[in-house]
Amino acid sequence: DSGVTQTPKHLITATGQRVTLRCSPRSGDLSVYWYQQSLDQGLQFLIQYYNGEERAKGNILERFSAQQFPDLHSELNLSSLELGDSALYFCASSVEVDNKAFFGQGTRLTVV
Amino acid sequence: GQNIDQPTEMTATEGAIVQINCTYQTSGFNGLFWYQQHAGEAPTFLSYNVLDGLEEKGRFSSFLSRSKGYSYLLLKELQMKDSASYLCAAAGKSTFGDGTTLTVKP
Repeated sequence: DSGVTQTPKHLITATGQRVTLRCSPRSGDLSVYWYQQSLDQGLQFLIQYYNGEERAKGNILERFSAQQFPDLHSELNLSSLELGDSALYFCASSVEVDNKAFFGQGTRLTVV
Repeated sequence: GQNIDQPTEMTATEGAIVQINCTYQTSGFNGLFWYQQHAGEAPTFLSYNVLDGLEEKGRFSSFLSRSKGYSYLLLKELQMKDSASYLCAAAGKSTFGDGTTLTVKP
């Protein structure tokens, strides 16, 4: 158990819908990262937060947004969902920006 | 992954040694991570190199050459359970290489 909690574990939804994925980082970790991993693909970096502030942005679509709350948990919002958004979404956390990251077990999103 | 290159696939035999290479061209280098990911599971941390040289940790070792922008992960005494994807990532950049899928055969 990495200490990073992601909910829900599985999510099935229809095209055009909006979903929210939640991540609770390890106790004491200030940095949260979101990644998307499509079937047989690498980890695509979406966005990073540090202590409530956005720190870095990767290949995140405009239909996607995220935030980190004062209690340091984070949410990733995906809207106007398309079939191609079906993927594993991982959250990771680290103490500081350059420290090793611990990954949650992921949320498997299926868009039908 | 952005400016990070790894071989796509490798195959090795149980009990053997395998070396997985990673080259990077990232500026503002702060160190290099290696992670292991089994299919459908979360990546798990293996090693972190910030200085040149070899870091040994049991059956796994990782090497870094900052001047050459090069790292490798060395796996000894391969076991079937080592079949997984191995990802390198530049510290501070949040981006991963596309990963090397290692298949260990009996």
